[in-house]
Order: sequence, then C-alpha cells, then structure tokens
Amino acid sequence: ETGVTQTPRHLVMGMTNKKSLKCEQHLGHNAMYWYKQSAKKPLELMFVYSLEERVENNSVPSRFSPECPNSSHLFLHLHTLQPEDSALYLCASSQDRGADTQYFGPGTRLTVL
Amino acid sequence: AQSVTQLGSHVSVSEGALVLLRCNYSSSVPPYLFWYVQYPNQGLQLLLKYTSAATLVKGINDFEAEFKKSETSFHLTKPSAHMSDAAEYFCAVSAAGRRALTFGSGTRLQVQP
Repeated sequence: ETGVTQTPRHLVMGMTNKKSLKCEQHLGHNAMYWYKQSAKKPLELMFVYSLEERVENNSVPSRFSPECPNSSHLFLHLHTLQPEDSALYLCASSQDRGADTQYFGPGTRLTVL
Repeated sequence: AQSVTQLGSHVSVSEGALVLLRCNYSSSVPPYLFWYVQYPNQGLQLLLKYTSAATLVKGINDFEAEFKKSETSFHLTKPSAHMSDAAEYFCAVSAAGRRALTFGSGTRLQVQP
C-alpha cells in the first residue's frame, strides 16, 4: 500500500450504532488530520494530531472521538450520530513543518439513517 | 483568521480552451496558498502551492497560479483544457507556519468536447 488509505470506503449506520473509521499513512509523516466534506459546504477540519498528540479540535461534537495510537494510524470512533453527520470523511497526513503539503486519502462515505 | 472565496461553483469550458478558476483569500498574516483537485470518488490531490517564493507557481498537468498580493488573489489557469481535467477544484489557505488549511467551497469544472 502506498500513500494514505482509508477503510471502509462506504459505511451505512443507524443513529444508535457505534462504528469506527480507519486511516493509515505509508508516507513517514508525523501529523494526521480528519476533515468532513458535506455537500455544498467547504471542507471542515475536525481534528489534528502531531506526534500522536491531539493539537487541534475544531468544536466537533463529542459523538466523534478520534484516536491516534501511533504516527501511522488514525481512527475516528462514531456513536449516536445524527443524519446531518452524513458526509465524506477525509483523512490526510503531512510532515509537521507548518503548512507542509497534506496528502489525502480517498475518504469514507458515511450515511446515517 | 483566514478565509477563501472561490467565484463560480461551476465552470464549463470547451476542450482546448483556456481554464481560469478564481480564488480570493483573506489572511491577517502572510499566507500559504494551495490548489487541490478532487476527481469523483477520490481524495484531494495537490496541484500546486505558493509559499512566499516565486509569485507564479507551476503545478502538475500544466496548471499554474499567480499570487497577487494587491488583489488578494490566487487564480488557477491552464492554457488548454483536456477532458480529463473535469473534476472539482479547491483553493485553500493557511497561515505561514500553521498546519490548519481553510478551504474554499470548490469549483466544479466541466470540459465539453
């Protein structure tokens, strides 16, 4: 595998389910990001991890819970989601040198019923 | 604080015609500026970036953009459109030294045969 991979690519869940999104980067980067891409809205930065520590959290509801066990893996744990949380969730990684190029995964298309 | 405005959510050009996608930014500090492209069902791919070196930036696939501080613009151009250029294009800004990117709402480019 090369670049940034995300699994699953598609996910349908009910509002009472608990699921997790996984991201893995094979680029040797030390910063990882979660973005939310909704229809007709700009990409929204959700979380930033640098060296496995959360460094930014942009007022994201607590039903989204990130986890970064090491510099190559990033998870987004989901529980009690709402239909408006349906979106494409994109993971990205970069070297943590300030505004270094972010490399994106293909995303997970999430549908909340 | 930073913001990005992309004028025109949809742009349609003929194959072989000039492509011009507009981006204006607002930043209280010297900005870094980026153009990303997103093909259907894929993540974002970097086309080019400006980081305070040359104001005319060349990217992949013959795209280029010019940083104009006086106009707070970073428009993307390509001399001759190809069918394969049909995609969504995002302009983004970050403050120098910061990780977080602020994205515009995107411009969908259609290329007519």
